[in-house]
Amino acid sequence: AQTVTQSQPEMSVQEAETVTLSCTYDTSENNYYLFWYKQPPSRQMILVIRQEAYKQQNATENRFSVNFQKAAKSFSLKISDSQLGDTAMYFCAFMKQALGTYKYIFGTGTRLKVLA
Amino acid sequence: DARVTQTPRHKVTEMGQEVTMRCQPILGHNTVFWYRQTMMQGLELLAYFRNRAPLDDSGMPKDRFSAEMPDATLATLKIQPSEPRDSAVYFCASLPPWGTEAFFGQGTRLTVV
Repeated sequence: AQTVTQSQPEMSVQEAETVTLSCTYDTSENNYYLFWYKQPPSRQMILVIRQEAYKQQNATENRFSVNFQKAAKSFSLKISDSQLGDTAMYFCAFMKQALGTYKYIFGTGTRLKVLA
Repeated sequence: DARVTQTPRHKVTEMGQEVTMRCQPILGHNTVFWYRQTMMQGLELLAYFRNRAPLDDSGMPKDRFSAEMPDATLATLKIQPSEPRDSAVYFCASLPPWGTEAFFGQGTRLTVV
């Protein structure tokens, strides 16, 4: 069974600084997707970034980038030039999409606070 | 604009009562997930459906929880009888065919007293 682990329950960062959120996962699959979702106080879940496991190149979306280490089963999120609006809960997620299975598994989340 | 709709947004009920939460997925989305969010467990997958068929409900307490999808526009999650430990936010999410981004509803905050 797949599992997703986020070992940092809470983190804080000064505005304009860089922060890295950690995520590890466990799977025997070779083809899968990894995601980071953001949940601000409004509770709305927002996709931040997506990585296909078959791609070696790390995904980037503006100030957000990932460090995907497939062999180590590690998928960290780096937020550059942190902004107050980045304050939120961040969830790492895994999805395998094959043979009729579309299981979407989330970690326990990391609460990030950006300080002014 | 297309969105996943969950009702009710908030529910307070007494222990032992039946609770039904509803979800309307985005039109055309054929995979629907139910999650429970708590401080300790994060987002737990309770059950999910594809083309209205249940694929996995192993995350759900079978004795009191049930999930159904009577048609393509409605998914339900029922708790009977409810207990205080069921207090949490319950999310529904849907996935389009061949898509990978899950679209979430606003959640139902359930409080069982």
